[in-house]
Amino acid sequence: GAGVSQTPSNKVTEKGKYVELRCDPISGHTALYWYRQSLGQGPEFLIYFQGTGAADDSGLPNDRFFAVRPEGSVSTLKIQRTERGDSAVYLCASRSGANVLTFGAGSRLTVL
Amino acid sequence: GQQLNQSPQSMFIQEGEDVSMNCTSSSIFNTWLWYKQDPGEGPVLLIALYKAGELTSNGRLTAQFGITRKDSFLNISASIPSDVGIYFCAGYSSSNSGYALNFGKGTSLLVTP
Repeated sequence: GAGVSQTPSNKVTEKGKYVELRCDPISGHTALYWYRQSLGQGPEFLIYFQGTGAADDSGLPNDRFFAVRPEGSVSTLKIQRTERGDSAVYLCASRSGANVLTFGAGSRLTVL
Repeated sequence: GQQLNQSPQSMFIQEGEDVSMNCTSSSIFNTWLWYKQDPGEGPVLLIALYKAGELTSNGRLTAQFGITRKDSFLNISASIPSDVGIYFCAGYSSSNSGYALNFGKGTSLLVTP
């Protein structure tokens, strides 16, 4: 597609539930990133994919968070047993050859 | 990751005024980027800087990559109401895998007509 597409744009869930957030990167971009942005803060790195493999998942806060990219294009961020502190905007970005990240509009997650 | 200190935290100015904001890092960066974020949207790239000392303009925006490679600034000249938003500095060093960016906390800009 022309840009990075993220769905859903908004997700409200209850504490303890499982959530999936989807990212469709710019066509042809092999590198894909997930970031988390809390209110009043800058985006914080979670995980980076090069192709199908997670090249760096050092930013994932704990083992409730997991991400996949099985065919090297669309990626899904999965959060198990959600907690209120997981509430944030989850941003996805893909990278061009100029080493510049292009971001999607984000998925706003609210955990009640 | 590396800490980025961005200042000021917020600015409230009148239309037509010039604006300056800056960012410092705790380590040497290879690339500095400036993004703008509007409510409900993701950050949008304004300017990318790749070399120490580089000065780059994009319309009314000018940014520089500091000589020490630990700082960068962004200037906006003759501000207009649509400049309102949050401006983020971002960058990476050689220790960042895959060009993953570190971000500052942002400068919130308000422009009154």
